[in-house]
Amino acid sequence: SVLTQPPSVSGAPGQRVTISCTGSSSNIGAYYDVHWYQQFPGTAPKLLIYTNNNRPSGVPDRFSGSKSGTSASLAIAGLQAEDEADYYCQSYDTALRVLVFGGGTKLTVL
Amino acid sequence: QVQLQESGPGLVQPSQTLSLTCTVSGASISSGVYYWTWIRQLPGKGLEWTGYIDDSGTPYYNPSLKSRLTISLDTSKNQFSLNLKSVTAADTAVYYCARSQRGYSGFSDHWGQGTLVTVSS
Repeated sequence: SVLTQPPSVSGAPGQRVTISCTGSSSNIGAYYDVHWYQQFPGTAPKLLIYTNNNRPSGVPDRFSGSKSGTSASLAIAGLQAEDEADYYCQSYDTALRVLVFGGGTKLTVL
Repeated sequence: QVQLQESGPGLVQPSQTLSLTCTVSGASISSGVYYWTWIRQLPGKGLEWTGYIDDSGTPYYNPSLKSRLTISLDTSKNQFSLNLKSVTAADTAVYYCARSQRGYSGFSDHWGQGTLVTVSS
């Protein structure tokens, strides 16, 4: 994938975890916005963070996003069992002229 | 509330055309505020943007699919459609329709439930 995410992360309930999304000068580094989605097995992705660090209505403030240089991160504080899901970042790549997703990160709550 | 629903055959033969329709309720596809998007997810894999279309009917395609892909609008039915020709097993995926914000990296805030399309004889 054009955007690189760790295949998996894990944490115990109550802990804080971060998921990285590493791009390049033709996407995140070119100031294109980054968005994050949460997906449970067998269901459609759900918008979690938009435009780098904004939460849609209904998303707990335990979820936060940030962006710096050619990378972005999703942080989940106070980890809960219900957070166990796949997480995807999304941006745009001006060299490829295509909207791009990261490969996804599976979050396991221990 | 905004809802999207995909419909179409779940099985397509190799070399044939995959055709899907997305019916939108709770929002007008003619509103001019959004892009109407198709995204697919290959089995056990990540998400792949296939393309989107704006309210004027102008499509934007993933270059890797552009030669085979057509996305169109039917404003009278508040629907938009995907046609992917000359399919192979590599096109087997869950296909999602979504509403996306305008802009190069517009986010998708409403999604259909997705429909699995299998390419097989």
